[in-house]
Amino acid sequence: QTVVTQEPSFSVSPGGTVTLTCGLNSGSVSTSYYPSWYQQTPGHAPRTLIYSTNIRSSGVPDRFSGSIFGNKAALTITGAQADDESDYYCLLYMGSGISMFGGGTKLTVL
Amino acid sequence: EVQLLESGGGLVQPGGSLKLSCTASGFTFSNYAMSWVRQAPGKGLEWVSSITASGRGTYYADSVQGRFTVSRDNSRNTVYLQMNSLRAEDTAVYYCAVHRGNYPSENLDVWGQGTTVTVSS
Repeated sequence: QTVVTQEPSFSVSPGGTVTLTCGLNSGSVSTSYYPSWYQQTPGHAPRTLIYSTNIRSSGVPDRFSGSIFGNKAALTITGAQADDESDYYCLLYMGSGISMFGGGTKLTVL
Repeated sequence: EVQLLESGGGLVQPGGSLKLSCTASGFTFSNYAMSWVRQAPGKGLEWVSSITASGRGTYYADSVQGRFTVSRDNSRNTVYLQMNSLRAEDTAVYYCAVHRGNYPSENLDVWGQGTTVTVSS
């Protein structure tokens, strides 16, 4: 059974840089999975940050960037701010109309 | 401005049925694929179902296959999720979201605010 993997939690200092990853329990993530990233704060709907690996959604600050890092998709936050403290989810398109989310990463900024 | 408004959530007994609606505005609805995503209390996001822009293609997660049916009415700018044989584990906030193109391979763009479904006796 395919599982999309993410770090359960991560911590970054204000102004620091952090890279969150999105992998597969078997195989590598490539651009063919159209990896995308979503930010969610408690009690709110998700917000799209990055789509098609590295394209920022409208209004998303350029401190957020996406890439393929080794065999995983990656979301990098450069110059983290307090309001970046959120849950981050990646989504992979598995083909044949099927998509799959990772388990999410809880990011703490302290 | 693109807006998605979900409705139809509520309390239902195990084994029961519920139909969710998501009404869109601010874009040409018939040009875009739509998806349903859910989030159980304290848990992560789970992709549930997608439908192509034309409505001819429908896709489901294994966890809901055979119990849920997605459909759309492009004349009403609305996508639906018919949920049958509901189980306690279907309890979640259900979000609809629009894709960036006419097929689900195009990433999700804008999300609705969600509607809550509680399955309990």
